[in-house]
Amino acid sequence: ELKVEQNPLFLSMQEEKNYTIYCNYSTTSDRLYWYRQDPGKSLESLFVLLSNGAVKQEGRLMASLDTKARLSTLHITAAVHDLSATYFCAVSFTGTASKLTFGTGTRLQVTL
Amino acid sequence: DVKVTQSSRYLVKRTGEKVFLECVQDMDHENMFWYRQDPGLGLRLIYFSYDVKMKEKGDIPEGYSVSREKKERFSLILESASTNQTSMYLCASSLGTEPFYQPQHFGDGTRLSIL
Repeated sequence: ELKVEQNPLFLSMQEEKNYTIYCNYSTTSDRLYWYRQDPGKSLESLFVLLSNGAVKQEGRLMASLDTKARLSTLHITAAVHDLSATYFCAVSFTGTASKLTFGTGTRLQVTL
Repeated sequence: DVKVTQSSRYLVKRTGEKVFLECVQDMDHENMFWYRQDPGLGLRLIYFSYDVKMKEKGDIPEGYSVSREKKERFSLILESASTNQTSMYLCASSLGTEPFYQPQHFGDGTRLSIL
């Protein structure tokens, strides 16, 4: 079965703190994506991770991929309120072409 | 920039009605997708299409059908709407040629309520 599990589902964190969102998937994949969704808005692509050990960074967000562990992490450094949103990982499993299987999402709330 | 446009942001329909959700993309993408988004369940794929007049079932196709008569337009049809189809519906598109890792681009969504 093609499954993507994300945790935590909800994360309340204070500004300036660091935290990590985890994305586990069930079988071999070709690539993994991270998306952001603001309330009432559409999904915005953040990162595409293509190979084992890949690391991408944009501002206070850093994503990494360990294909052997079937795990991706999204690390938030020194959180700020603007990062409050829901974050999704999505996996393109091997043999499924352009289809994506999404995780349940992590709702991040950064408090002052 | 890729633009994926969904015809309605909010829609209210009655049980048993036939409902059409329209999606248009302006980047000549081969692939188009319909998802529904429900709290705690993430996005689930309903149907997708790799080419004109071509469709494939996703993970939850029951109660839905699709139509792709032109490359830029992908329609989702609820044959006989039921209350359990109340949800947010998202359309997406992506390139069907190299580079295959290009992300899917999403529309703003249609919040559909079935009464």
